[in-house]
Amino acid sequence: DAGVTQSPTHLIKTRGQHVTLRCSPISGHKSVSWYQQVLGQGPQFIFQYYEKEERGRGNFPDRFSARQFPNYSSELNVNALLLGDSALYLCASSFWTSLSYNSPLHFGNGTRLTVT
Amino acid sequence: QQQVKQSPQSLIVQKGGISIINCAYENTAFDYFPWYQQFPGKGPALLIAIRPDVSEKKEGRFTISFNKSAKQFSLHIMDSQPGDSATYFCAASSAGGTSYGKLTFGQGTILTVHP
Repeated sequence: DAGVTQSPTHLIKTRGQHVTLRCSPISGHKSVSWYQQVLGQGPQFIFQYYEKEERGRGNFPDRFSARQFPNYSSELNVNALLLGDSALYLCASSFWTSLSYNSPLHFGNGTRLTVT
Repeated sequence: QQQVKQSPQSLIVQKGGISIINCAYENTAFDYFPWYQQFPGKGPALLIAIRPDVSEKKEGRFTISFNKSAKQFSLHIMDSQPGDSATYFCAASSAGGTSYGKLTFGQGTILTVHP
């Protein structure tokens, strides 16, 4: 069974550039969440999407945006990159619905973004 | 109030020993407490989770103990093995409002099990 897949696995960008990260959820999962994991810290919640609508947003600037497509895959976009955006970006999918909000999150292996 | 505090930062245990990792939270609205295991270069993987209506949950060598009044929970790894060497994260979430689908993670514990 295919797990959560993310692309690319590694990315190097320059300050001020824009980046798009992609995620394909586990088949049947309609909820996708994005997390940022800075080296040595726990993941920090960025967004959650369910049925193509934003259902949750973490404490991140407006430079961060995301969307979910009809096939439930998702993109995370970051504009005007800063050095501090260097991190592992994790995508997670689940069977989450408003009635079963504690469905386990299944994480991908992430995209390692380095901003120079 | 949204923080989850985890300790210790690192832990070294001998093979066959018991590993204990502790977490504390402030937000009384939290009602779901999972533990994740992360190996280098991999995403976190769910180990075990508990809800506050029970005080303990055991799955194989992994046990969560939960103390609602103290707002603390812990992970016990019995008969620790070198293959358990990884980073462990506790987390918490709650229903309602903008918290839907949001896990708040602890800072992580790097566990090393010596053979």
